[in-house]
Amino acid sequence: EDQVTQSPEALRLQEGESSSLNCSYTVSGLRGLFWYRQDPGKGPEFLFTLYSAGEEKEKERLKATLTKKESFLHITAPKPEDSATYLCAVQPHSNDYKLSFGAGTTVTVRA
Amino acid sequence: DTGVSQDPRHKITKRGQNVTFRCDPISEHNRLYWYRQTLGQGPEFLTYFQNEAQLEKSRLLSDRFSAERPKGSFSTLEIQRTEQGDSAMYLCASSRTDRGDEKLFFGSGTQLSVL
Repeated sequence: EDQVTQSPEALRLQEGESSSLNCSYTVSGLRGLFWYRQDPGKGPEFLFTLYSAGEEKEKERLKATLTKKESFLHITAPKPEDSATYLCAVQPHSNDYKLSFGAGTTVTVRA
Repeated sequence: DTGVSQDPRHKITKRGQNVTFRCDPISEHNRLYWYRQTLGQGPEFLTYFQNEAQLEKSRLLSDRFSAERPKGSFSTLEIQRTEQGDSAMYLCASSRTDRGDEKLFFGSGTQLSVL
């Protein structure tokens, strides 16, 4: 069964203090790895899809990278509005309709 | 693109009652998904539709749960004889599979509390 483990569970940062979130996964044939942002009481909001090892994608202060076993979400010089839970999910080739999510990393950025 | 809409946003019910949730996907999306999320966990897959056909159901979806998507448009998720363990956020998502970019767009969810 596909498994996704995210670490740390929670991260408290000072504004401007860069850091990285980890997503380790096991999947029988990766079709895509997804990063989502979720604010309290809201549904997940799409950030990135990565398809192959070595791929990188950026959006504002966020950068996602992918290896064969894990993905990282780097937050550069975060601002308070980056506070959210960041979810990682894998999509297998065999059951491409089903995303398996990790439990998420809750990021709090203090001004 | 008006996004995925879910109704109601919150539902409080007593154990044993039936509840129904509605989801309106993004209009040109052919796939519709239901996920469930409990506090501190990521969303868990429940079921999905390709147009109007329900193609897969998770073992999490007991026989008290039923989902429909008539005419391939909106979808409903009904829970019969609710139990306290059904308390969760029920998320609907949709996607379009004909462009090779299958990212899911989620609605804001329906928060169910079973007393």
